[in-house]
Amino acid sequence: KAGVTQTPRYLIKTRGQQVTLSCSPISGHRSVSWYQQTPGQGLQFLFEYFSETQRNKGNFPGRFSGRQFSNSRSEMNVSTLELGDSALYLCASSHKGEVTEAFFGQGTRLTVV
Amino acid sequence: GQQVMQIPQYQHVQEGEDFTTYCNSSTTLSNIQWYKQRPGGHPVFLIQLVKSGEVKKQKRLTFQFGEAKKNSSLHITATQTTDVGTYFCALTGGGNKLTFGTGTQLKVEL
Repeated sequence: KAGVTQTPRYLIKTRGQQVTLSCSPISGHRSVSWYQQTPGQGLQFLFEYFSETQRNKGNFPGRFSGRQFSNSRSEMNVSTLELGDSALYLCASSHKGEVTEAFFGQGTRLTVV
Repeated sequence: GQQVMQIPQYQHVQEGEDFTTYCNSSTTLSNIQWYKQRPGGHPVFLIQLVKSGEVKKQKRLTFQFGEAKKNSSLHITATQTTDVGTYFCALTGGGNKLTFGTGTQLKVEL
């Protein structure tokens, strides 16, 4: 069974640009969550999608958005990039609707210059 | 929202020594999960604890959930170099949202 796939693995963007990251969950998993990991703030929850609906949202500005498609694949978008957005963005998929093991992808390393 | 304190932030041990990391919450938790992240890797699920006073073992790893469900610990017996990484506890809340602790970075010296 294939794991969670995130693309691209690495990305360099300039301040002010926007970026779209992609996540393909494990087959059959309907829940996809996104996390931002930085040395200073640790692992922080961005949002969760379940069956194409955003179910939870973390404390991030509106520049961070996401969506989920009918095949459960998810994208997150960050507009008007700031230097502080440089981070490892992790996607996790889960099988059930609630309280279950999260399977993480390898992450996308975003560097904003 | 719920928060969890995790200590210590770093732990440097000699191979063969034991290691323990602790998570503490000011509120009662419904359950708690533990993850391990190797250097350069991604978090990998280790276990979920649900019951008050629960103790679960995975080979050299022992996980405990406090009687009051406000704290949890992960203990590794006789550490090996393969145990290197950062260990996170995570609170569940609302769907599959995870609130992670700050993590304990474990380094093991030969």
